[in-house]
Amino acid sequence: DAKTTQPTSMDCAEGRAANLPCNHSTISGNEYVYWYRQIHSQGPQYIIHGLKNNETNEMASLIITEDRKSSTLILPHATLRDTAVYYCIVTGKAAGNKLTFGGGTRVLVKP
Amino acid sequence: EAGVAQSPRYKIIEKRQSVAFWCNPISGHATLYWYQQILGQGPKLLIQFQNNGVVDDSQLPKDRFSAERLKGVDSTLKIQPAKLEDSAVYLCASSDQGFTEAFFGQGTRLTVV
Repeated sequence: DAKTTQPTSMDCAEGRAANLPCNHSTISGNEYVYWYRQIHSQGPQYIIHGLKNNETNEMASLIITEDRKSSTLILPHATLRDTAVYYCIVTGKAAGNKLTFGGGTRVLVKP
Repeated sequence: EAGVAQSPRYKIIEKRQSVAFWCNPISGHATLYWYQQILGQGPKLLIQFQNNGVVDDSQLPKDRFSAERLKGVDSTLKIQPAKLEDSAVYLCASSDQGFTEAFFGQGTRLTVV
């Protein structure tokens, strides 16, 4: 499975965009980039995923670099409820679609 | 759509006792996962089922942990005997055949004293 590297923590001001980076330099051609988040005392929640094109949904946008070695999750207007640990995961059929969680990025949204 | 159901939510046991956790995945989901999450760490996959067959149990401590998936639907995870280091949140997740995303339950918080 391709490994990912994320910053340990970051702060963000309420109402501003939060940009969460992730490095996955060993990603293979058929592996997807997934983002999950875990709010305190809850199970992880799916946010978004992508293969090579940028993706957007009601929660966030995912920007994947052209060489696919890194990506950025963008929360366009962070709210206090977005305070959570965010996990970047690379997986695909070859890995049995297994979700291997690292330490994630602890995001604190401040008023 | 009902989510992934887990029970109990909390459990406190003494070391060397046994304990079992139950998971009811989302209806129709072929894949079921059990994760262990120790405080301050990301979830660690213990076992992955596809229908009622095991896909991956490489990180399951098989001397004390066991899991089964009944008729490809509900699943139980058992620990016997428990150790202090088993204190953690045990998360169950499920996904459909096409795997767009995995849905997680609230977890069971186990404390071994």
